[in-house]
Amino acid sequence: QAGLTQPPSVSKGLRQTATLTCTGNSHNVADQGACWLQHHRGHPPKLLSFLNDSRPSGISERFSASRSGITSSLTITGLQPEDEADYYCSAWDSSLSIWMFGGGTKLTVL
Amino acid sequence: EVQLVASGGDLVQPGGSLRLSCAASGFTFSAYWMGWVRQAPGKGLEWVANIKQDGGEKNYVDSVKGRFTISRDNAKNSLYMQMDSLRVEDTAVYYCIRHQKGMDVWGQGTTVTVSS
Repeated sequence: QAGLTQPPSVSKGLRQTATLTCTGNSHNVADQGACWLQHHRGHPPKLLSFLNDSRPSGISERFSASRSGITSSLTITGLQPEDEADYYCSAWDSSLSIWMFGGGTKLTVL
Repeated sequence: EVQLVASGGDLVQPGGSLRLSCAASGFTFSAYWMGWVRQAPGKGLEWVANIKQDGGEKNYVDSVKGRFTISRDNAKNSLYMQMDSLRVEDTAVYYCIRHQKGMDVWGQGTTVTVSS
């Protein structure tokens, strides 16, 4: 079962903007969208955006998600040191009846 | 406070069994799909299974079908995962999750190690 595709790593400078991408297909990302999670090792992952690209309460406005066709994107503005983490996208695949994850993107804040 | 507390992780030999539990509090457990996600050492997140509110529908990733069984007890606000015929590649931190337009609540994780 092939997963969603994410770039393995992204590096950006402090206070810059990072855009992370997640590519799926018509049965997952294009169908119901993708959610995004932030994971600092040693802690449980944290949901940054729901499937409909809205933010859960308590999540900074610096994090925003969008979708175009089979690609979902997470944009992080005003990068801070604490944003350095692994970021995962996830989507429900309606043809396989499973949730899929991307391989994760390691974000480095320089 | 919305909370999920997973337990039951242990060291087990290949071919052995374990039962993971997850205690939910702070929300109406019976109103949500629930599931399990795991992360093997040095690897990414992998969704394992989920279960509908009334337990009437269950889904599994191919690699655990026929070996793992997800269940729930809404009266006890608890989620379970019976893991049989365990393999070395099942070694991971297992997270209990709540499904709401994604995976909006995560437990702290419980560690399963399969090794001889």
